[in-house]
Amino acid sequence: GAVVSQHPSRVICKSGTSVKIECRSLDFQATTMFWYRQFPKKSLMLMATSNEGSKATYEQGVEKDKFLINHASLTLSTLTVTSAHPEDSSFYICSARDTAGGFHEQYFGPGTRLTVT
Amino acid sequence: KQEVTQIPAALSVPEGENLVLNCSFTDSAIYNLQWFRQDPGKGLTSLLLIQSSQREQTSGRLNASLDKSSGRSTLYIAASQPGDSATYLCAPANSGYALNFGKGTSLLVTP
Repeated sequence: GAVVSQHPSRVICKSGTSVKIECRSLDFQATTMFWYRQFPKKSLMLMATSNEGSKATYEQGVEKDKFLINHASLTLSTLTVTSAHPEDSSFYICSARDTAGGFHEQYFGPGTRLTVT
Repeated sequence: KQEVTQIPAALSVPEGENLVLNCSFTDSAIYNLQWFRQDPGKGLTSLLLIQSSQREQTSGRLNASLDKSSGRSTLYIAASQPGDSATYLCAPANSGYALNFGKGTSLLVTP
């Protein structure tokens, strides 16, 4: 299957700082990428839909000014957690939609473990 | 809002058994449905994709069925192996292609 990478895989930051997470589709172009977060023993929660060349669409309850999303190219979307707080500590996972063949299959990155101290 | 339920929540079996994992969803207006596996602390690996017009898909020892009108999908795993141990997630996609997840089924296959 197609490959999606995320960087970094783990990051520890101090409260009040900002952290940027990158999501790349390595072997296909993705006009749409999605950002999820996952708490321990919980299901994945969709945060936002990232569209190449336009503003992201955020789910209800997700602060767009806190979780900045930029989808500047067909292979890269970034999520920046601004002014991070300990409650932002979580596992963040991105996915990219491959429209080849009209199947719209989604491929996920390996995730980023964020710890805010 | 799409609600996804997976039964059972956890399953422990000896290797070699054939397994059935169940998924139900409340909104039948889906575009497609994907089954994933997630290993601890890792991302998701796509196992099978079923289009809304399809009834089933097969890949190796895995077979997934879809009954869209009743909001159900089932993943069959034949001849289970210890390497199959993981959390299995089903995720129907809405018209905007965003996936909706349940809590998954945690599978342990013992040697």
